[in-house]
Amino acid sequence: DQQVKQNSPSLSVQEGRISILNCDYTNSMFDYFLWYKKYPAEGPTFLISISSIKDKNEDGRFTVFLNKSAKHLSLHIVPSQPGDSAVYFCAASSEGADGLTFGKGTHLIIQP
Amino acid sequence: NAGVMQNPRHLVRRRGQEARLRCSPMKGHSHVYWYRQLPEEGLKFMVYLQKENIIDESGMPKERFSAEFPKEGPSILRIQQVVRGDSAAYFCASSRPRGSKETQYFGPGTRLLVL
Repeated sequence: DQQVKQNSPSLSVQEGRISILNCDYTNSMFDYFLWYKKYPAEGPTFLISISSIKDKNEDGRFTVFLNKSAKHLSLHIVPSQPGDSAVYFCAASSEGADGLTFGKGTHLIIQP
Repeated sequence: NAGVMQNPRHLVRRRGQEARLRCSPMKGHSHVYWYRQLPEEGLKFMVYLQKENIIDESGMPKERFSAEFPKEGPSILRIQQVVRGDSAAYFCASSRPRGSKETQYFGPGTRLLVL
């Protein structure tokens, strides 16, 4: 029973364009959301987070949007660079829960 | 300014042996989390520990798995009598004491292969 869903296993984007990665969740108790980036044979690296009291958070090339009514969040990367090619995981947590709940990841491929 | 350290990075065990995975949190972090990632899956929470305390082990399998975080030294995830299905990447994360939402920072993982 996937509470955090990333429905696109992979996404290919041209260098310099915008990459949009999507994530849906089913648990209305989730109140904090994070995006992690992962290269092969490495651990996930924290990218950006957003609290449920906000609908947007921006950090450099990365922006996360949260639509609570739709239980949907997205990560925008602009402009996309070759080093952005990695697997991106969406994760969520709720008050009282200690572990993060992860999606299965989206493999982003930036084409030259 | 070391990040989360895990060792070994790769571990091969035969069925029935024991596996011990170690994790040292980031400097200033006193909370440790263990996650398991099966092939083609996301990370699944296993256990959350503070020094000398298991806070939440709701994701731990009921048998053969145990975790500790002693007063001195790294956190240990121990798997007894390993089976092929235990083959996975095991990630440790650490965070500062949790008052509000604290970001978890991950180590490089231990890749366990059970033959």
